[in-house]
Parts: sequence; structure tokens; C-alpha cells
Amino acid sequence: QVQLRESGPGLVKPSETLSLTCTVSGFSISSGYYWEWIRQPPGKGLEWIGNIFHSGTAYYNPSLRSRVTISVDTSKNQFSLNLRTVTAADTAVYYCARASYDTLTSWGQGTLVTVSS
Amino acid sequence: SSELTQDPAVSVALGQTVRITCQGDSLRSFYASWYRQNTGQAPVLVIFGKNNRPSGIPDRFSGSTSGDRASLTITGAQAEDEADYYCNSRDTSGNHWLFGGGTKLTVL
Repeated sequence: QVQLRESGPGLVKPSETLSLTCTVSGFSISSGYYWEWIRQPPGKGLEWIGNIFHSGTAYYNPSLRSRVTISVDTSKNQFSLNLRTVTAADTAVYYCARASYDTLTSWGQGTLVTVSS
Repeated sequence: SSELTQDPAVSVALGQTVRITCQGDSLRSFYASWYRQNTGQAPVLVIFGKNNRPSGIPDRFSGSTSGDRASLTITGAQAEDEADYYCNSRDTSGNHWLFGGGTKLTVL
């Protein structure tokens, strides 16, 4: 059974870059599926950030595209999120997930990232 | 389409049937998925595709679609069904995901 776990700093300063990694176990990223990042500000709904296919093709939420990069490292079975020039509005629980074309099938437990000086 | 719309809150009496809806243009082309989220927990997939339940999801959960509207029906709601429910689907381009704003379900 696939498992996903997010890791990275829980506190980021304004204007800096938020960097998170999702480690996948129980399934090889190289075997397919889409690998997703989603976030949820405290008390609010879910927001899709972007995704990447094992080939490296990535798609991003148009509202975040100018600040986001998602990359994949198949040798480590990991994929990563970089969100540049963060503000307090980027404070959220960040989830990684695996998706088929139809649905997000498996989610990580989420990690809270707070943007504050 | 860039939006999926859900009612913010719905309530149901214990043991009764409740329908949670999701509306958006993308639903004319793509099926909705539904996720249950308990406070402080990650979302859990409960319905996907035409009307499919992942292993472990009770059969009181079902899904349907008509036109631009998708519905999640809970037949015989239980206390443990009290949670936030989110719909999602591909957008009309097929390359991006959309989420509804979520529906808070209260079981009375």
C-alpha cells in the first residue's frame, strides 16, 4: 500500500522560499500516476497547488504558477515543492498526494508551514 | 471552468438520508470525487468515478451526477459521518484540479 509523507521546515520567513519534500513508499514513482501538492490554510478549504508526472511534466495552479516549482527525484522516490517569495497568506497545511487521472487516491498526513518573521 | 460550488453547511438527523451537492461546468466532462475530512486529519477519498467506493468505505455512501451537478448521498447517516466533505474534479482543460469550498455536515 502506497504511503506518502511530507517533510520540511515548519517555519519560513516572509519573502523566503518554502521547500517541502514528499517521500513515497510502497510504490515506485517511476511506475506512473500523478504526484500532487495541495494546501489548506487554517480553517479554510483545499487548494490545489500543482502536480508532476514521473516523466517530469508539471502543471500548476494558474494563481500560483509564477512562484511554484515542482520537481521529482525518481532515484530517491521523492517529489518536491518550492514556493518562492512567501507571505503570511501561504501559511497552511501542505499535503502531498498520488492521483490517477480520475481522482486523488492517496494522501500524506500533511505538514503545517507557518510564514512568520 | 474554474469553480466548484458547494453549500457551506448541511445537517441531517441520525439515521436519515442526506445529499451533499457540488456544481460546476467541469462536471459536464469529468466525474467528481468526494473526500471526507475530520478535524485535524487529512482528507480521505470516499467516492470516485461514476459511483465507486474505495475499500473500507461503507456502502451507505454513494455518488451520482446529472449535468453540471454532482451529489454525494449518505443513506442512514451515522454520528461518525459528521465531518467536512469536499468535491473535486479535473477542470475543463483536463490538466488541473479543482476543489469545492467544502460542506460541513452535522449529524443531529
